[in-house]
Amino acid sequence: AQSVSQHNHHVILSEAASLELGCNYSYGGTVNLFWYVQYPGQHLQLLLKYFSGDPLVKGIKGFEAEFIKSKFSFNLRKPSVQWSDTAEYFCAVREYGGSQGNLIFGKGTKLSVKP
Amino acid sequence: GAVVSQHPSRVICKSGTSVKIECRSLDFQATTMFWYRQFPKKSLMLMATSNEGSKATYEQGVEKDKFLINHASLTLSTLTVTSAHPEDSSFYICSAKEFGGSSYEQYFGPGTRLTVT
Repeated sequence: AQSVSQHNHHVILSEAASLELGCNYSYGGTVNLFWYVQYPGQHLQLLLKYFSGDPLVKGIKGFEAEFIKSKFSFNLRKPSVQWSDTAEYFCAVREYGGSQGNLIFGKGTKLSVKP
Repeated sequence: GAVVSQHPSRVICKSGTSVKIECRSLDFQATTMFWYRQFPKKSLMLMATSNEGSKATYEQGVEKDKFLINHASLTLSTLTVTSAHPEDSSFYICSAKEFGGSSYEQYFGPGTRLTVT
């Protein structure tokens, strides 16, 4: 079965520090990849997605992620975090063209940015 | 962007009663809706997938007689937790897939916090 691993449960950074959140998945076929963010008290929002093409994708709010097929990874990055980036971040994977196309989520990484 | 709403946002009910949660796609038609359950410090767990006009497909371990799902129209799906128990207390999130395409995006609702006393 597919699985998604997010290795960091809680990351604490100071403002202006660089961020990289790891995400690895187990499925060997073609996948669609997503990063979602959940700000405190709010619903899940899509940060960025990868379907095909350039493996370096740029999302909203200065976030980017790089798909490395050989490493089954889709790490999220931001060069300089802000206090407002404090949130929980979820990586998700979907088997391309699967019959149900279910999103498989990682357990999430809580990011706390100190002002 | 596409908007998915859920109602209610919070509900408290007594053990043994039933609770209905609505999920609506406000500005698009959703052929498929998904229901998730989110546990504290854990991932979102898919409970079931519902397609408009047909029976929902439940994930392994999810009781279909306890979590009744109805997807009666292209903009509305409901989840009814029947004979709720305290262990059903959780955060329930729906998601909707916009009609058409295989490389689609899912839009998430704000979630419903259910507390069973």
